[in-house]
Amino acid sequence: RKEVEQDPGPFNVPEGATVAFNCTYSNSASQSFFWYRQDCRKEPKLLMSVYSSGNEDGRFTAQLNRASQYISLLIRDSKLSDSATYLCVVILSGGYQKVTFGTGTKLQVIP
Amino acid sequence: DAGVIQSPRHEVTEMGQEVTLRCKPISGHNSLFWYRQTMMRGLELLIYFNNNVPIDDSGMPEDRFSAKMPNASFSTLKIQPSEPRDSAVYFCASSRRYRDLGSPLHFGNGTRLTVT
Repeated sequence: RKEVEQDPGPFNVPEGATVAFNCTYSNSASQSFFWYRQDCRKEPKLLMSVYSSGNEDGRFTAQLNRASQYISLLIRDSKLSDSATYLCVVILSGGYQKVTFGTGTKLQVIP
Repeated sequence: DAGVIQSPRHEVTEMGQEVTLRCKPISGHNSLFWYRQTMMRGLELLIYFNNNVPIDDSGMPEDRFSAKMPNASFSTLKIQPSEPRDSAVYFCASSRRYRDLGSPLHFGNGTRLTVT
């Protein structure tokens, strides 16, 4: 089993739709979680952190389910500009910080 | 605030040549990461420094790759000799660890390397 798994997609959704991505992780001791966005031929950029209580930033909502070991990203009212690849990141901290990126989920928002 | 700065942005070289990629992390960040990204293999961690000390270099492909961090504000990734299969985008990222908590990585713009 991969340490961090994402559905590669692509997810093709119409403008205005709501879309959700999940990311599962294998190490239950993982402590920190993030969602990144990567546009074609650009660097990954931090989208939002993921907290146990869930958090929202405008149209974006991130949640963590420790019992089932997954994080999710919900995008409401999709815009054309949301088209990108979304990467989840799981960090296992301690003496050695192990950062694991998922392979990414590609989202294409269609007019 | 200046982000992570990488140079050069693009590098085209011939097989067998030495390539040096450079990175300046965000001031105050104490962790630095070198990644390689290709369509086939996605984002791969090459090496990770904490407080200028290499912590995990298990991702370095082979002896042709070496990385240094002589001080908190500069790191290099060197490939000698380069091969066509090294063609990829190389990203440098930094983060600020605090009390063993995981903190997000901030990426540079990357260096697009083409080895012919």
